[in-house]
Amino acid sequence: NAGVTQTPKFQVLKTGQSMTLQCAQDMNHEYMSWYRQDPGMGLRLIHYSVGAGITDQGEVPNGYNVSRSTTEDFPLRLLSAAPSQTSVYFCASTPKRATGELFFGEGSRLTVL
Amino acid sequence: AQSVTQLDSHVSVSEGTPVLLRCNYSSSYSPSLFWYVQHPNKGLQLLLKYTSAATLVKGINGFEAEFKKSETSFHLTKPSAHMSDAAEYFCVVSDRGSSYKLIFGSGTRLLVRP
Repeated sequence: NAGVTQTPKFQVLKTGQSMTLQCAQDMNHEYMSWYRQDPGMGLRLIHYSVGAGITDQGEVPNGYNVSRSTTEDFPLRLLSAAPSQTSVYFCASTPKRATGELFFGEGSRLTVL
Repeated sequence: AQSVTQLDSHVSVSEGTPVLLRCNYSSSYSPSLFWYVQHPNKGLQLLLKYTSAATLVKGINGFEAEFKKSETSFHLTKPSAHMSDAAEYFCVVSDRGSSYKLIFGSGTRLLVRP
């Protein structure tokens, strides 16, 4: 019962470094998305994908890239990390016909110094 | 645009007493509304959802919520709090025509006192 798996769980970066947060799901869900969680702000959508080869921007896409080459994987790339990107990142997936039930990973805590 | 407002950032109750977490929504159409729960250092889990069927929705672990269009509210309740209910709760609305794009409230942290 793996569900949605995120790696790494913790990461510390220096300003300007790049990195990739990995997300994989084994439920054959069409839709995948990335959110960031900041204190007092709930979760905000960064990027999402409705299927392999299709991605789109969410509410806060700047500074992040995504790709979806397979149904299972949806990596999030930070191009040049900034302190404002210090946050907890959640990947989520859902089947095409679901109505709002997202399945979340356990999160990746990123600190940018 | 759709939005949700959670009226309390923190709620503290004693074990065995009722829980009320308040949420108001704003939507120009009939919304789909959800409550998610996040236990410490965990991902989020769906508690319950309203999608224009019955206005009183029952969820997991004894929680329920009532959709009130006249009050634009979707408050979460539970008759008797348990220590394991201590968590952060998010009221959520789905973006119009995109059930996979969710708009989250700022969250309410529920503390349960012994």
